[in-house]
Amino acid sequence: GAVVSQHPSWVICKSGTSVKIECRSLDFQATTMFWYRQFPKQSLMLMATSNEGSKATYEQGVEKDKFLINHASLTLSTLTVTSAHPEDSSFYICSARGGSGSDTQYFGPGTRLTVL
Amino acid sequence: AQRVTQPEKLLSVFKGAPVELKCNYSYSGSPELFWYVQYSRQRLQLLLRHISRESIKGFTADLNKGETSFHLKKPFAQEEDSAMYYCALRYNTDKLIFGTGTRLQVFP
Repeated sequence: GAVVSQHPSWVICKSGTSVKIECRSLDFQATTMFWYRQFPKQSLMLMATSNEGSKATYEQGVEKDKFLINHASLTLSTLTVTSAHPEDSSFYICSARGGSGSDTQYFGPGTRLTVL
Repeated sequence: AQRVTQPEKLLSVFKGAPVELKCNYSYSGSPELFWYVQYSRQRLQLLLRHISRESIKGFTADLNKGETSFHLKKPFAQEEDSAMYYCALRYNTDKLIFGTGTRLQVFP
């Protein structure tokens, strides 16, 4: 149980376009989802926290207009990278935390974004 | 500000040797520490947390508040332990900050 999926697993796009990444909790309801970014050989950096039905909370230095997060249901959160540029190329990972007092974060497999 | 430090990028040992992956933290509140593991081509998964005080796959970790450390130990490494290990600190109720990770290589 407690599986989190991400789609797509990798994406290549042209500079200036927008890319949407989906994060789904497959067998549990995720009251909170987290989005991380990981550069090569570096650690995961928390970008934002999203709770179902409310606006996401962004970490300092993360542009909310650049990285749009929507958590419309208890099983789906989306991250849209708007007007992508090569410096946005990275590995984006989501995690989901269930309700009922659960505090464990379950991680998705990640999405590799390459902006040309 | 909170911080997690893993000083070793790579740790190589032979099968059967003891392993200690170091983790130090900085946090003004009451710390809650975790170890996550990422095997090759797999997602990040929770290995253990200090609150549980349990042994998972032979690994243990003790929180030392005096030394602000949470080192991961295993007395006899196995080849299947080869993976990337991340130490993480929870802050502000549900946020995690990760260390830079240590790659453990266990040679036969």
